[in-house]
Amino acid sequence: EADIYQTPRYLVIGTGKKITLECSQTMGHDKMYWYQQDPGMELHLIHYSYGVNSTEKGDLSSESTVSRIRTEHFPLTLESARPSHTSQYLCASSDPGTSGSSSYNEQFFGPGTRLTVL
Amino acid sequence: AQSVTQPDIHITVSEGASLELRCNYSYGATPYLFWYVQSPGQGLQLLLKYFSGDTLVQGIKGFEAEFKRSQSSFNLRKPSVHWSDAAEYFCAVSDYKLSFGAGTTVTVRA
Repeated sequence: EADIYQTPRYLVIGTGKKITLECSQTMGHDKMYWYQQDPGMELHLIHYSYGVNSTEKGDLSSESTVSRIRTEHFPLTLESARPSHTSQYLCASSDPGTSGSSSYNEQFFGPGTRLTVL
Repeated sequence: AQSVTQPDIHITVSEGASLELRCNYSYGATPYLFWYVQSPGQGLQLLLKYFSGDTLVQGIKGFEAEFKRSQSSFNLRKPSVHWSDAAEYFCAVSDYKLSFGAGTTVTVRA
């Protein structure tokens, strides 16, 4: 079944640790996204990718980095976690379609990773 | 630049009552508009979308939304809410990316 997966779902880690949040999708989508969401708040786009070897920074500045070596995989890495990184991180993907098509920019979301940095 | 405003931060409604969530957008051209729902600890699920044609859009779980260009609005409605509709609802407008509103939290009381 086509879906989008995120692991881990919950992560509690100490300051200074390196972490990687995994995101994989089996929908064959070219575009993928990472959002950061604080409790009760809106989503902020932090990274996106148009396809393999493409990565772009989003609207919200983030100390995290991403890579896109395979179409289905879009991991997010924090080299040195800090308490200010505590948040929920949501991954999404979309079939770009074309402007004027019903699927244009319709994004499918993973379940999210809730990160707590102590 | 595109943007979305959801004026209501929190709405409480009785089970069986009707629900309307407001969404206003700012966008220069014909927008692609979406409503997503997020249950606690979960990702976002698409309820419905508008991109052209009929301005009244039907979605999943009994929701509908009406696009009104003159008011730059895309309000979400449900005639009779169920306790399972308690969640956070996000309106979004799309150009090359999605821009989300701040969300409206819906509480359903018995």
